Amino acid sequence: AQSVTQLDSQVPVFEEAPVELRCNYSSSVSVYLFWYVQYPNQGLQLLLKYLSGSTLVESINGFEAEFNKSQTSFHLRKPSVHISDTAEYFCAVSGTGGYQKVTFGTGTKLQVIP
Amino acid sequence: DTGVSQDPRHKITKRGQNVTFRCDPISEHNRLYWYRQTLGQGPEFLTYFQNEAQLEKSRLLSDRFSAERPKGSFSTLEIQRTEQGDSAMYLCASSLSSGRFGPDTQYFGPGTRLTVL
Repeated sequence: AQSVTQLDSQVPVFEEAPVELRCNYSSSVSVYLFWYVQYPNQGLQLLLKYLSGSTLVESINGFEAEFNKSQTSFHLRKPSVHISDTAEYFCAVSGTGGYQKVTFGTGTKLQVIP
Repeated sequence: DTGVSQDPRHKITKRGQNVTFRCDPISEHNRLYWYRQTLGQGPEFLTYFQNEAQLEKSRLLSDRFSAERPKGSFSTLEIQRTEQGDSAMYLCASSLSSGRFGPDTQYFGPGTRLTVL
């Protein structure tokens, strides 16, 4: 079984400042890792995912996350946030063999301050 | 492609009543998932269908909960004899199992918020 820890429930940050949302996972097997975003009054959307290969993955809107196996982390970063990035971000993990259910963290609310 | 839709978006019921939620996945998606999300928590897996077959159920899904996907398209989630602890957001997601490397991408609906008084 896998688990995910998101230590920060809320992260306030000023517009155009950098941000890091932390995610640590626990698993005894190989994993896939995901970040989902939930904008106000909308459904969850996949932001980016790590499957294999390069440990740095990027999204189309400027976010990136780095898989660190030794530290069992998959932190999400953005060098300069915009008001439109205000949302709740969920880190998630699944195993890699066949169908594997996705386990979500408790979420981090990113509040971008003008 | 109109995305995953769920109906109703909000449901208020009294304890002991039965409720049923509907999920319409993205057309041609063969996999469908139900999750429950309570305040301050991430989504928790409830059950999963591949076409019309229910392949996995979480221990969270007590015998008061039943889910169906009769024709491999839409799905319903029924909760019998609702309890206050059932109050939550119920999320549906769908995906297409393409057989390629890596997990399916799950597309989520907006959810049904259940309040049990």
